[in-house]
Amino acid sequence: QKEVEQNSGPLSVPEGAIASLNCTYSDRGSQSFFWYRQYSGKSPELIMSIYSNGDKEDGRFTAQLNKASQYVSLLIRDSQPSDSATYLCAAFDYKLSFGAGTTVTVRA
Amino acid sequence: GAGVSQTPSNKVTEKGKYVELRCDPISGHTALYWYRQSLGQGPEFLIYFQGTGAADDSGLPNDRFFAVRPEGSVSTLKIQRTERGDSAMYLCASGPGLAGNNEQFFGPGTRLTVL
Repeated sequence: QKEVEQNSGPLSVPEGAIASLNCTYSDRGSQSFFWYRQYSGKSPELIMSIYSNGDKEDGRFTAQLNKASQYVSLLIRDSQPSDSATYLCAAFDYKLSFGAGTTVTVRA
Repeated sequence: GAGVSQTPSNKVTEKGKYVELRCDPISGHTALYWYRQSLGQGPEFLIYFQGTGAADDSGLPNDRFFAVRPEGSVSTLKIQRTERGDSAMYLCASGPGLAGNNEQFFGPGTRLTVL
């Protein structure tokens, strides 16, 4: 079992809709959690970090963390075509462990 | 400010050759990580430096892989006797290395192709 699992996707949403991405992790020692966006052929770009249980909002992005359920999610509101990318969930326990990513396509 | 830089951006080599990949972290970042990413997968951890020392090299796949960071800034990942299976994107990330701030920022990567 991988340390970090993401819903496999791909996920297709219409422009303006909410994209919902989910992630579970197995290492209870993980201290902090991150979402990265990766465009095709590019390197991962950090878009959200979350350290404690609850919600964290940054612009159109909301990250949610539930340590008891070992669950992390990312909501993208008012999805735009420029949000089309692969989203990587990562858990940190002195190093990052990544999921395989979920590819999101926003249809204009 | 300047982000993480990596050189070369692309490297094509022949099986059995030696390669060096360079990473220049964000100024002031003490933590430096190397990851490897294959197509359709998330990055996989290779090695972590805190300052000059390798704090964790448990992700290096075998003894053909080695990395150094002699002055606590620039790091070089070295691969001996390259194999076709080494072909991947090699990513470097740096972070402030502070308790309570584990953010890591990636460089553009080096695409290694072993023929």
